[in-house]
Amino acid sequence: QKEVEQNSGPLSVPEGAIASLNCTYSDRGSQSFFWYRQYSGKSPELIMSIYSNGDKEDGRFTAQLNKASQYVSLLIRDSQPSDSATYLCAVNKEGSYIPTFGRGTSLIVHP
Amino acid sequence: AAGVIQSPRHLIKEKRETATLKCYPIPRHDTVYWYQQGPGQDPQFLISFYEKMQSDKGSIPDRFSAQQFSDYHSELNMSSLELGDSALYFCASSLGASGGVADTQYFGPGTRLTVL
Repeated sequence: QKEVEQNSGPLSVPEGAIASLNCTYSDRGSQSFFWYRQYSGKSPELIMSIYSNGDKEDGRFTAQLNKASQYVSLLIRDSQPSDSATYLCAVNKEGSYIPTFGRGTSLIVHP
Repeated sequence: AAGVIQSPRHLIKEKRETATLKCYPIPRHDTVYWYQQGPGQDPQFLISFYEKMQSDKGSIPDRFSAQQFSDYHSELNMSSLELGDSALYFCASSLGASGGVADTQYFGPGTRLTVL
């Protein structure tokens, strides 16, 4: 089992809809969680970081963390075609400053 | 705001040649990380430096070495290049750890290495 699991997709949503991206992790002691967006051939771009259980909102993006269930999700409201990209979940295991990345979920927002 | 700078952006080498990739972190960031990302793969951690000392080591081949200099820039040296080394190489920087919680990494634009 990979330490950070994501559905590779593609996840296809219509423009204006809510896109929901999920990520599960295996190390129960993990403390830091990040969502990155990566366009093809480009570098990962930080969207959100979250450290505590609950929701964290930033514009159209909401990260949700549930440590008991070991999952972190990213909601994108009012999805736009420009949101089409691969979304990488990154998790820092307990005691490590090096994030472990998931394989990423490909999101397609169609007009 | 200033971002992570990487050079060169593209590099083409022959097998068995050497390559040097450079990374200039965000000003005041003291930690640099190197990643390798193959097509369709997630970024694989290679090595990191904190305050000019190696702090963590990942799946970096013995043919590769890296260091961080006094001005905090870092160089990844790759020797005896193989076809399988063709990938995107990202550098990321952060302020390092604070309060036991990992600080956010900010990625540079990457160097695309092609080995022929």
